[in-house]
Amino acid sequence: NAGVMQNPRHLVRRRGQEARLRCSPMKGHSHVYWYRQLPEEGLKFMVYLQKENIIDESGMPKERFSAEFPKEGPSILRIQQVVRGDSAAYFCASSRTSLYEQYFGPGTRLTVT
Amino acid sequence: DQQVKQNSPSLSVQEGRISILNCDYTNSMFDYFLWYKKYPAEGPTFLISISSIKDKNEDGRFTVFLNKSAKHLSLHIVPSQPGDSAVYFCAASLGPGGGADGLTFGKGTHLIIQP
Repeated sequence: NAGVMQNPRHLVRRRGQEARLRCSPMKGHSHVYWYRQLPEEGLKFMVYLQKENIIDESGMPKERFSAEFPKEGPSILRIQQVVRGDSAAYFCASSRTSLYEQYFGPGTRLTVT
Repeated sequence: DQQVKQNSPSLSVQEGRISILNCDYTNSMFDYFLWYKKYPAEGPTFLISISSIKDKNEDGRFTVFLNKSAKHLSLHIVPSQPGDSAVYFCAASLGPGGGADGLTFGKGTHLIIQP
């Protein structure tokens, strides 16, 4: 049973470009969470999605960030017009329901130059 | 405002001894607590969890203790093994699994097991 898959593992973008991060949850999991980890910090919750629905985006920056989890395909975290401060590790987690433990993917390390 | 605090950035323990990692929280609404282990360049791996209705949960070498009145939990690893060297994150949520608010993480403690 494959774990949570994230790609790419490393992403380099110039300031002003767009970054797209993908997450495929574990088989049988329909709940997806995105977290961001800045250097020397813990993980910070960004958004919680179920298929075709954003349940809670209280941790998402108000501008430039968006997330989706379509009926088919992976969940996407999209960052428009990236800035240096967006450089971080972005982790996706999935769970069977909101009542079960979350399992994390390996993360995408975004570097903005 | 840090709602989950891990005050020791690092901890060094001799192989075979007990490792005790501590975590404090400020939000009395937290109802469920988890520990994750993380190796460099990998995602966090779930270790063990505890509901607020319990004060102890054990799984093999790992035991988590919860003191609700003190808003404190700890993870005990015994005996410690070299493969336990990693960063350990304490996390809390308003309900099992994280509910709609996700998990709130501490900054982590880097555990180093010395041979």
